[in-house]
Amino acid sequence: GQSLEQPSEVTAVEGAIVQINCTYQTSGFYGLSWYQQHDGGAPTFLSYNALDGLEETGRFSSFLSRSDSYGYLLLQELQMKDSASYFCAVRDAVTGGSYIPTFGRGTSLIVHP
Amino acid sequence: NAGVTQTPKFQVLKTGQSMTLQCAQDMNHNSMYWYRQDPGMGLRLIYYSASEGTTDKGEVPNGYNVSRLNKREFSLRLESAAPSQTSVYFCASRGEGGRNTGELFFGEGSRLTVL
Repeated sequence: GQSLEQPSEVTAVEGAIVQINCTYQTSGFYGLSWYQQHDGGAPTFLSYNALDGLEETGRFSSFLSRSDSYGYLLLQELQMKDSASYFCAVRDAVTGGSYIPTFGRGTSLIVHP
Repeated sequence: NAGVTQTPKFQVLKTGQSMTLQCAQDMNHNSMYWYRQDPGMGLRLIYYSASEGTTDKGEVPNGYNVSRLNKREFSLRLESAAPSQTSVYFCASRGEGGRNTGELFFGEGSRLTVL
């Protein structure tokens, strides 16, 4: 089976930097994704890491260490609109050619002025 | 571009009633998924379809059935609704190619309450 652990809530102030961690256990690993979801909205894709290292997309960066089964999402220059839930998702064992992602329980990020 | 469209957006049912949630995507994706989201539980996979004509169970399939009507449409049916099925349901699709990030495109969700 698969399991992912991420903090339930993180708070920060506007303009700051925040890191949301994700550790995972899986029988076969292909990559780690991050999704953002605002209250009442749909999850939207942010980033994907298949290899070790940092991927940067504007104010958001995502890091992966395959040997540590660990990744994080880094949000810089926080804005009020970044208040949302963030989910890590593991791309794990491919069954018969299917891609079956498993999601963590999500981290609620609260940005204060 | 519409992306992934779900209907209805809201629904209230009585215990024992049946209903079907509809999902359609216009991105020519092969894979489609149904998730449910409950407070503090993240997104849990109910069923998925890797291609037209195939469906498979996910983590929480009990009480649900699905139909992959064609490449565009993937419906979720509750035959006899129970209060435990009160949830927000998300349909998603996934394309192949490009960086192969496995990016899922989600619909806006269907909020179901079973009384």
